[in-house]
Amino acid sequence: GESVGLHLPTLSVQEGDNSIINCAYSNSASDYFIWYKQESGKGPQFIIDIRSNMDKRQGQRVTVLLNKTVKHLSLQIAATQPGDSAVYFCAETLNDYKLSFGAGTTVTVRA
Amino acid sequence: DSGVTQTPKHLITATGQRVTLRCSPRSGDLSVYWYQQSLDQGLQFLIQYYNGEERAKGNILERFSAQQFPDLHSELNLSSLELGDSALYFCASSPTTLDEQFFGPGTRLTVL
Repeated sequence: GESVGLHLPTLSVQEGDNSIINCAYSNSASDYFIWYKQESGKGPQFIIDIRSNMDKRQGQRVTVLLNKTVKHLSLQIAATQPGDSAVYFCAETLNDYKLSFGAGTTVTVRA
Repeated sequence: DSGVTQTPKHLITATGQRVTLRCSPRSGDLSVYWYQQSLDQGLQFLIQYYNGEERAKGNILERFSAQQFPDLHSELNLSSLELGDSALYFCASSPTTLDEQFFGPGTRLTVL
């Protein structure tokens, strides 16, 4: 079946620096992509989403980029803070609304 | 706090048993989703209900079933439990479909 994968399982970043988390997806028919953040002991929390008719979307300190040509999704976090330490998942929806999640990237922010 | 509640928070049971996990969606949300998160499989979509009707199905085992009640709360029933069913089970809700999904805190199931 279709799957979404992340390039790196872990990412260590200095506080104040920008973070970039990458994700590759396999199904070119996917039309909706979401980034989730999961802190220890909690459920996934929505960060930002993007539909396939867009290539960039910005939120508060976060930007999602979608490159449909190479089926690549990225999440950029500006001025990374200690509270950004978590596992980040990208997810895609197939036409039947099922979310497929990647394996996750663990982000650790160094003080 | 997402507004989605799940009970119980923890559940420990034995192989062969049956358990029921409960989810209350955010007020006004019509869609409920169930996910399983395990170390080896990651987050896996199980099933979605919309306004009481099954809407989409993922990799849900035949031993598992779910329903959404008229008050929109949902229950996930897991039967003939196996060790491999030990996982975190999350419920999420959204206003309709293809909306942002809000996840509950999860139920941690341990099968001994």
